Amino acid sequence: GEDVEQSLFLSVREGDSSVINCTYTDSSSTYLYWYKQEPGAGLQLLTYIFSNMDMKQDQRLTVLLNKKDKHLSLRIADTQTGDSAIYFCAERGALTGGGNKLTFGTGTQLKVEL
Amino acid sequence: DAGVIQSPRHEVTEMGQEVTLRCKPISGHDYLFWYRQTMMRGLELLIYFNNNVPIDDSGMPEDRFSAKMPNASFSTLKIQPSEPRDSAVYFCASSRQGNEQFFGPGTRLTVL
Repeated sequence: GEDVEQSLFLSVREGDSSVINCTYTDSSSTYLYWYKQEPGAGLQLLTYIFSNMDMKQDQRLTVLLNKKDKHLSLRIADTQTGDSAIYFCAERGALTGGGNKLTFGTGTQLKVEL
Repeated sequence: DAGVIQSPRHEVTEMGQEVTLRCKPISGHDYLFWYRQTMMRGLELLIYFNNNVPIDDSGMPEDRFSAKMPNASFSTLKIQPSEPRDSAVYFCASSRQGNEQFFGPGTRLTVL
């Protein structure tokens, strides 16, 4: 089945850029998502990218997609303490069949230090 | 919009008891998803519905788990009998036409 992998931890200093990486196996992925989970809360959609795009920028967030290598990254510019959370990568498969399911990665715990 | 609503937020029960978790999706959303999150297994999709009909329940762990969606604004996930290994955070999410999913705050279940 589909697999999505992320590194478990990332620590950065406040004001630096954070880059969270994700790899996936499903070559039929149509959309790829980044969700943020703060302690004790549900997942909040941050941004998403369609599979025919290479890059998407939204304020401090930049998503890069390398479809050939099946690699997705999320860059957070000027990281703040409020960005400390778990970040999940998720992919959505083909639009037919089970395409409405998302496969989530394990999540990357981002810790922002002063 | 109130977002996805789940109840209760916390549930503590004893092994063998029946547990019912509830979810109200966002109005107008036609997909509803139930997930379970644990430290060991991460976020797992249990089941999802489209227009109140179960589409894929392959993630439901075993027969002790059942889910229903009697109408477009309500769904339940039931565990009977509950076991300690069912302890987890259970999330409900909804989406419109299979697009981005909006998650509820979750129900933290502890089975003693």
